[in-house]
Amino acid sequence: DQQVKQNSPSLSVQEGRISILNCDYTNSMFDYFLWYKKYPAEGPTFLISISSIKDKNEDGRFTVFLNKSAKHLSLHIVPSQPGDSAVYFCAASGAGTASKLTFGTGTRLQVTL
Amino acid sequence: KAGVTQTPRYLIKTRGQQVTLSCSPISGHRSVSWYQQTPGQGLQFLFEYFSETQRNKGNFPGRFSGRQFSNSRSEMNVSTLELGDSALYLCASSVKAGGFYNEQFFGPGTRLTVL
Repeated sequence: DQQVKQNSPSLSVQEGRISILNCDYTNSMFDYFLWYKKYPAEGPTFLISISSIKDKNEDGRFTVFLNKSAKHLSLHIVPSQPGDSAVYFCAASGAGTASKLTFGTGTRLQVTL
Repeated sequence: KAGVTQTPRYLIKTRGQQVTLSCSPISGHRSVSWYQQTPGQGLQFLFEYFSETQRNKGNFPGRFSGRQFSNSRSEMNVSTLELGDSALYLCASSVKAGGFYNEQFFGPGTRLTVL
């Protein structure tokens, strides 16, 4: 039972354009959501997070949007840069188990010149 | 500040053997979590340790175990290895156990191959 889903395994975006990565979840107990970026042969790197009391969080070029009613979150990267090419994972956790992250299957983003 | 370190980085074992992986968290971090990454199942939570106590456990068989020492370093052990245990094992540390904005920082992982 995949509780966190990233339905797009890959995404290709031109440099300078917006990248939008999507994530859906099914467990209504999740109240904290994170995005991680992963390069080959490295561990995931934390990017940005959002709690369920918010619907938007920004950090530089990265913005995460949360739609609780639709159980959907998205990561916007503006403008996209070649160094952003990596696999992006969304993750979720519930109150009291916030260290236990449930990950999506990842979306491979390629930013082309 | 040094990041999370994991040793060894690569390991090859045969079925039936056991293996111990080590993780040193970021200085000052007291919570250590372990994850398994495989192509088929993705990243899955194994367990979390805080103050030498297991705080959370994922859905893995009892062959997977761990412990944490007083200096917050952690080890995980897999006994009676099976081919399906071949995976990248990731360790992550955070300042405390649970709570919002208590981000986990991951190490580079240990790549285990079971032959």
